[in-house]
Amino acid sequence: SQQGEEDPQALSIQEGENATMNCSYKTSINNLQWYRQNSGRGLVHLILIRSNEREKHSGRLRVTLDTSKKSSSLLITASRAADTASYFCATAPLRWGNEKLTFGTGTRLTIIP
Amino acid sequence: KAGVTQTPRYLIKTRGQQVTLSCSPISGHRSVSWYQQTPGQGLQFLFEYFSETQRNKGNFPGRFSGRQFSNSRSEMNVSTLELGDSALYLCASSISTDTQYFGPGTRLTVL
Repeated sequence: SQQGEEDPQALSIQEGENATMNCSYKTSINNLQWYRQNSGRGLVHLILIRSNEREKHSGRLRVTLDTSKKSSSLLITASRAADTASYFCATAPLRWGNEKLTFGTGTRLTIIP
Repeated sequence: KAGVTQTPRYLIKTRGQQVTLSCSPISGHRSVSWYQQTPGQGLQFLFEYFSETQRNKGNFPGRFSGRQFSNSRSEMNVSTLELGDSALYLCASSISTDTQYFGPGTRLTVL
């Protein structure tokens, strides 16, 4: 079963604009990760934020985590056509760590050139 | 380092048959996890192996099984295939508790 929901399910923006995706989850976590998937291919790890962190940056990516609300957001700044993909959040449970990730439903992002 | 490799990349089977998928982790990675991805259920955890032992298991029927060899390569087997088993099967390897590295997946179609 899915850990939670991602919002929106689909997002289309113009190249150069910022894209924000949200993720909600249900149980306590060790960390939360974001992955990108291009057209039904493998997942690419983007960024990991631990439960005791509130914000993390990596290049054009900014992730926030609010454990009190059990939610996270991924911001992609200055979007490019190559950012077109599906984005998934995944949570690692407290007990087992990252070997058993629970994924969200995903956001399909389309960047319009 | 070479990434996670999965073979075959595509498979077509018929109902009732069985299938074996293979995953070779990144060199040095001892943990291998398997996930099923379908349009309806999304990405779901199947099981995880570490040093030839199954450490974690998801909520899948016993038709889904796996194993890991001493060189950390892993295989996943599905017996008595059903139409609903059509999916992208992804494996991931990791060396620590930080990041899982995913392979390109095996797309299984059951007719």
